[in-house]
Amino acid sequence: AQRVTQPEKLLSVFKGAPVELKCNYSYSGSPELFWYVQYSRQRLQLLLRHISRESIKGFTADLNKGETSFHLKKPFAQEEDSAMYYCALSGAGNQFYFGTGTSLTVIP
Amino acid sequence: DGGITQSPKYLFRKEGQNVTLSCEQNLNHDAMYWYRQDPGQGLRLIYYSQIVNDFQKGDIAEGYSVSREKKESFPLTVTSAQKNPTAFYLCASTAQGKGYNEQFFGPGTRLTVL
Repeated sequence: AQRVTQPEKLLSVFKGAPVELKCNYSYSGSPELFWYVQYSRQRLQLLLRHISRESIKGFTADLNKGETSFHLKKPFAQEEDSAMYYCALSGAGNQFYFGTGTSLTVIP
Repeated sequence: DGGITQSPKYLFRKEGQNVTLSCEQNLNHDAMYWYRQDPGQGLRLIYYSQIVNDFQKGDIAEGYSVSREKKESFPLTVTSAQKNPTAFYLCASTAQGKGYNEQFFGPGTRLTVL
């Protein structure tokens, strides 16, 4: 069965500190992995995807197939990073599976 | 701020009534989705459609129904059979094909059953 696990419901870090949001997945195949973000009063939107291997707003995420993980990292957290973050997986048939989300709070 | 629109933003319904949530997109996307978002449970897939006149059940389809008569529209009906319908409902769409799997989301509809 396909599943995405985000073990932390809440995460608080101080401004300027490193932040890591964890995501583990299980999928029998070659999935595409994504991170979506939902800022207060805004729509859910794509932050980054593993196939692009890009850095968006200072965030990066590396797909580790051995550990089946796709953790989101940023070396220096900013207040504007406070939001809800969802890890998601796309498999065959264009179906998406989302984790339960991690609410990140960056403390000034 | 086009793309995907959902209406209404807030919806109230009495127990025992069916209610239909609207979702329209002008992105020419083939696939459309309905999710339910509850605190602590993330997004759970209700129904999705990859092509007009075809749709598949997601993980929590019981008590819901959909139609896809037009490419642009994917309305969701919450029936009286849905035991706990109070929730935030999100519609999304995506273009088909590998490499184009980004989902675009609507602003959501908050349904409250009184």
